[in-house]
Amino acid sequence: GESVGLHLPTLSVQEGDNSIINCAYSNSASDYFIWYKQESGKGPQFIIDIRSNMDKRQGQRVTVLLNKTVKHLSLQIAATQPGDSAVYFCAETPIHSNDYKLSFGAGTTVTVRA
Amino acid sequence: DGGITQSPKYLFRKEGQNVTLSCEQNLNHDAMYWYRQDPGQGLRLIYYSQIVNDFQKGDIAEGYSVSREKKESFPLTVTSAQKNPTAFYLCASSIDPGGELFFGEGSRLTVL
Repeated sequence: GESVGLHLPTLSVQEGDNSIINCAYSNSASDYFIWYKQESGKGPQFIIDIRSNMDKRQGQRVTVLLNKTVKHLSLQIAATQPGDSAVYFCAETPIHSNDYKLSFGAGTTVTVRA
Repeated sequence: DGGITQSPKYLFRKEGQNVTLSCEQNLNHDAMYWYRQDPGQGLRLIYYSQIVNDFQKGDIAEGYSVSREKKESFPLTVTSAQKNPTAFYLCASSIDPGGELFFGEGSRLTVL
C-alpha cells in the first residue's frame, strides 16, 4: 500500500550542528507536504510546508527539500538547539484528488546533546 | 486566543465502558479530524468531518463513533468494541479539507 515513512526513527545531534531529517513517500499523487514537530505530551505543531511545484522552501532556521523524482522529502534544521528536541513527522496529501486526508509517517525522534 | 481544546487531558476507563472525548475549536474551521497515536508510531486517522452534519471513516474507525452537530465541536466516543483503546488521541482542524492541520494538546486514555 501507499505510505509515508521516515528513514530513521532516532537522530542524535550535537547542539549547534545542523540536523537533517529524511522522509520517503510512495504516493506519486501527493502534491502537498508538511513537517510537524511534536514535543513530549503535546499535540504536533506545524513547522513548514511545501507544494509539489517547488523543490525548496526556507523558514526560520528550517529548510524543506522535495525531490519528486525519488519521492523524498527532507527537513534541515540549522544550528540545532535544545528546544529542537522532539519527534518530527512528515505528512502528505494529494490535495487535487478527492482523497485529501493527510497521511503521516512514523516520526523521527531528535535528541540534542549539550 | 483561537485554538483547539481537548478534554479531558487524562482519562482512565474500565474495560467495557464507553468514554467520550471532547474537542472544541474556535478557529471557524470547516474540517475536523481525530487521530490516534501509539508509542513509536505515526498518527492514524480515526474519523474526519468536512462540514457540519457530515463525517467519514478514516483508516481505523472500528470501535469508535463521532458526531458533528455544531461546527465548533467534534466529540469522539471510544466504545467497548474497541479492542485496544489505550492510546493518545489527537483532535485537529483545518480551514478546508487537506489543508494545514491545527492540533489540540491531546487526550491520553488508559483502560484499566
